[in-house]
Amino acid sequence: GAGVSQSPSNKVTEKGKDVELRCDPISGHTALYWYRQSLGQGLEFLIYFQGNSAPDKSGLPSDRFSAERTGGSVSTLTIQRTQQEDSAVYLCASSLAWEQARTDTQYFGPGTRLTVL
Amino acid sequence: ILNVEQSPQSLHVQEGDSTNFTCSFPSSNFYALHWYRWETAKSPEALFVMTLNGDEKKKGRISATLNTKEGYSYLYIKGSQPEDSATYLCAFLKDTGRRALTFGSGTRLQVQP
Repeated sequence: GAGVSQSPSNKVTEKGKDVELRCDPISGHTALYWYRQSLGQGLEFLIYFQGNSAPDKSGLPSDRFSAERTGGSVSTLTIQRTQQEDSAVYLCASSLAWEQARTDTQYFGPGTRLTVL
Repeated sequence: ILNVEQSPQSLHVQEGDSTNFTCSFPSSNFYALHWYRWETAKSPEALFVMTLNGDEKKKGRISATLNTKEGYSYLYIKGSQPEDSATYLCAFLKDTGRRALTFGSGTRLQVQP
């Protein structure tokens, strides 16, 4: 079956521009996560969604970052007025149910490599 | 801030060598420890989920152990092959608060043929 997909795979933008990154989770997965990996760093949690509950936005680094998830499926991560420090690989993951988070495997997409010039 | 540390940062071994690396995590509020493998140009792939102190998991030539009391997990690869070359990530899940994994920065393994 289809895995998690992300688009675009690569994005080069100029400082100050807005960008949108898209994630299509595995069908039937109720939990969706966004992470990023900056050069030399580990995967950094950004935000997660679970069903119709309010998302946990505690990992978003600034108010320039926002995300939404429409219809419990596709998610879009938006970065406004991009800065060079936003350059990173942005990964999306989905899982069956976060109530079983203890053993619930997260399935990752291939990521979007964002470069801010 | 949760501290999840992995060592070494990178490792170069010859084909056939056995190797191991470490993940350290907080020993309090432990809920689960996940291991992922991330090959270049691919998505991170789940290897193991470990929840109990003393857990040992095995998948082919790769195995992992867990010590929750002292806060560490070891990943072992027996008879490394070039296809094992990847970054190995561990991720800690706390039993309270945010239900999202906290990842270490990974161990990058390069296996030379």
